[in-house]
Amino acid sequence: ENVLTQSPAIMSASLGEKVTMSCRASSSVNYMYWYQQKSDASPKLWIYYTSNLAPGVPARFSGSGSGNSYSLTISSMEGEDAATYYCQQFTSSPYTFGGGTKLEIK
Amino acid sequence: EVKLLESGGGLVQPGGSLKLSCAASGFDFSRYWMSWVRQAPGKGLEWIGEINPDSSTINYTPSLKDKFIISRDNAKNTLYLQMSKVRSEDTALYYCARPLYGNYGGFAYWGQGTLVTVSA
Repeated sequence: ENVLTQSPAIMSASLGEKVTMSCRASSSVNYMYWYQQKSDASPKLWIYYTSNLAPGVPARFSGSGSGNSYSLTISSMEGEDAATYYCQQFTSSPYTFGGGTKLEIK
Repeated sequence: EVKLLESGGGLVQPGGSLKLSCAASGFDFSRYWMSWVRQAPGKGLEWIGEINPDSSTINYTPSLKDKFIISRDNAKNTLYLQMSKVRSEDTALYYCARPLYGNYGGFAYWGQGTLVTVSA
């Protein structure tokens, strides 16, 4: 099983601040997928194929990485970005998720 | 508009069984792999398994392979999850999910989830 480790588990950022969160895989993956989840809501696909933004996702978000190391970056934090972000790999079954990074407003 | 609507959740006793359903609409259900994902209260997401369009391939996360059975009825546009030998740790919100493309691209569509509570 490919274990995905997200860091940090919890972080806070000020409005306008640049934010970067990490997802590391125990085995190399072809692509990484990211989801945003807010309280009491279903997850939303946020980034697919490592760096493609899902429809409706603001351009301040970006994804990058390769092999075992991936990241999600917000160029300038906005209030609506406060949420939990999960990474997921589809390279090998089981399609594991990371434990999540909870992003709060400072 | 793509819609996924889970149902069948509720209170079940430890050791019991429950069958969840996911009614799909707004797309050609028979052309997509479908998955189940669960989320325990206050916890992260866990992929349960997937089924291909003609039900010839079903994959599970290893720890759940002997307890859960995924099936589908393309004529009814419905996905199922048969749960058995449930334990307290199976208490969770259960989602069905559809990938962006046939079997790849990430889970672009999710239902609202159905809550399963395992308790005596």
